[in-house]
Amino acid sequence: SQTIHQWPATLVQPVGSPLSLECTVEGTSNPNLYWYRQAAGRGLQLLFYSVGIGQISSEVPQNLSASRPQDRQFILSSKKLLLSDSGFYLCAWSVRERNQPQHFGDGTRLSIL
Amino acid sequence: AQKITQTQPGMFVQEKEAVTLDCTYDTSDPSYGLFWYKQPSSGEMIFLIYQGSYDQQNATEGRYSLNFQKARKSANLVISASQLGDSAMYFCAMREDQNFNKFYFGSGTKLNVKP
Repeated sequence: SQTIHQWPATLVQPVGSPLSLECTVEGTSNPNLYWYRQAAGRGLQLLFYSVGIGQISSEVPQNLSASRPQDRQFILSSKKLLLSDSGFYLCAWSVRERNQPQHFGDGTRLSIL
Repeated sequence: AQKITQTQPGMFVQEKEAVTLDCTYDTSDPSYGLFWYKQPSSGEMIFLIYQGSYDQQNATEGRYSLNFQKARKSANLVISASQLGDSAMYFCAMREDQNFNKFYFGSGTKLNVKP
């Protein structure tokens, strides 16, 4: 069966510090991969998605970046965090079939001080 | 324009009663899929139910059913016999065949089940 791992679960970082969140998927090949951000009590904002190794689509211009160095690995990064980067970050994967949903990791709660 | 609209920021329901969470969508693609997710306070996103645009019957999964009205572009989630554990955020999402790699999410509805 397929599983998705996302870490860390919580992170507290100072303003201006770098960021690296990692997500890996097991049990499937060549999935679509996604990073979302969610403010408290709000909906999901799509940040990046990837349809293959090295292929990244950015949805919202900001100081975040994403990379997909391996088929089932998706990394969200920042060189210098802003206060506005605080939030709940969710990684997800899907297959390319219309009737199949996205599957989400457990999320990372990021607090910027 | 918003692809997915959920007009109910918050809802209350009495335990054991049924509740309907509204979702309307906007697409010109004749082929699409609609999904509902549950997000408890712990944060994980749990897939509940799927409805395809060509499905003739409304989808059902246990206590969850989808009231799909294609002409009105609505896909409301019905939860029967509400339980305290149903208290959560609920999100409606859509995937279009013409833009297959993206999912569009609504802003969510916070459901509170009262004992």
